[in-house]
Amino acid sequence: NAGVTQTPKFRILKIGQSMTLQCTQDMNHNYMYWYRQDPGMGLKLIYYSVGAGITDKGEVPNGYNVSRSTTEDFPLRLELAAPSQTSVYFCASSPAGTSGFINTGELFFGEGSRLTVL
Amino acid sequence: EDKVVQSPLSLVVHEGDTVTLNCSYEVTNFRSLLWYKQEKKAPTFLFMLTSSGIEKKSGRLSSILDKKELFSILNITATQTGDSAIYLCAVVVSGNQFYFGTGTSLTVIP
Repeated sequence: NAGVTQTPKFRILKIGQSMTLQCTQDMNHNYMYWYRQDPGMGLKLIYYSVGAGITDKGEVPNGYNVSRSTTEDFPLRLELAAPSQTSVYFCASSPAGTSGFINTGELFFGEGSRLTVL
Repeated sequence: EDKVVQSPLSLVVHEGDTVTLNCSYEVTNFRSLLWYKQEKKAPTFLFMLTSSGIEKKSGRLSSILDKKELFSILNITATQTGDSAIYLCAVVVSGNQFYFGTGTSLTVIP
């Protein structure tokens, strides 16, 4: 059972470089999310998607972009990396409910990607 | 602005102690409140609470929600060193968005 897979697990970037964090899930979940977690802090929502072709901003979207061309994949792009983007990034997915009540009660997380910008 | 606040930020106890972790929230369109445990890697799901006053229980862990006063507590009885972790509270609002608190770091000393 693969679940949610994130790559890479670790990456060091120089200021101004760009990169893409990959996320794929094999559970056919409609909802996908990107979070960042800074030391001693909780998770902050960057972007989320409710299905293929639909994305929306979360709490901290500046400096990031996403796309959702398929149900399975939800890559996160960092343009012009800055030291403030040093963090651990988590991708997560959630199955949409039925009968209009969409809360499922659980997020399925990837293992995280540790990004350092120097 | 939706807000989830956890207290205390950190806690150090001895094995066998009982701890209570707090989570208060101010959000619009509340759907549910969840508790997660985070050790080295990704958070793992503990409980989902949607109704006030109904206790959820799993072994030594239990949790309850008060939707009138907008808070939840997570209790851990007879703590063990394996309970050492960060405990995260998340509130789900309409649109299936999950908002997390800063977490409570629990350390259990043998």
